[in-house]
Amino acid sequence: GAVVSQHPSRVICKSGTSVKIECRSLDFQATTMFWYRQFPKQSLMLMATSNEGSKATYEQGVEKDKFLINHASLTLSTLTVTSAHPEDSSFYICSASAPGTGELFFGEGSRLTVL
Amino acid sequence: QQQVKQSPQSLIVQKGGISIINCAYENTAFDYFPWYQQFPGKGPALLIAIRPDVSEKKEGRFTISFNKSAKQFSLHIMDSQPGDSATYFCAASMADKLIFGTGTRLQVFP
Repeated sequence: GAVVSQHPSRVICKSGTSVKIECRSLDFQATTMFWYRQFPKQSLMLMATSNEGSKATYEQGVEKDKFLINHASLTLSTLTVTSAHPEDSSFYICSASAPGTGELFFGEGSRLTVL
Repeated sequence: QQQVKQSPQSLIVQKGGISIINCAYENTAFDYFPWYQQFPGKGPALLIAIRPDVSEKKEGRFTISFNKSAKQFSLHIMDSQPGDSATYFCAASMADKLIFGTGTRLQVFP
């Protein structure tokens, strides 16, 4: 099946720094990717829809200046958590839709810990 | 209208038993209903999915039952195995935008 790769899988950073997470579709082109956030023992919450070549669409309550999304190519979307704080510590997961199948494939997730 | 309600929150089943997880939705515009399995520290993996023009879909030990009029769908895991122990999420999708249920933690004991 289609593969979506995320990097890094784990990142620890100091409060106030910015962290970039990459999401790549390895064997297909994805015009749209999605970013989710998951707190421990909770469900996945959609943060934003990343559109290749245009601005991301953010869900209500998600700060677009805090969570910068760039979808510069058909195989790569990045999420940058700017000026990270401990409350931003979470599991961030991306997904991409494989063309022609309608199936959404998820990355392995990136665990961010802000000290 | 965007919610997907999932139950139970947790489920304990003996090996060989049937695990049943239920979901309900409100928005009739949803057109794709997948189930995902998630192990700790991993991203969710697609298990099985159904579209609203079908009432049942079976893949191996996993079956989705779909009731369009009731706006409900369920996952049945037959012959449950300890390796099935994980968190299961139902979801509903419209234009590739997924809304997840709250999750069910399944534990299968030998």
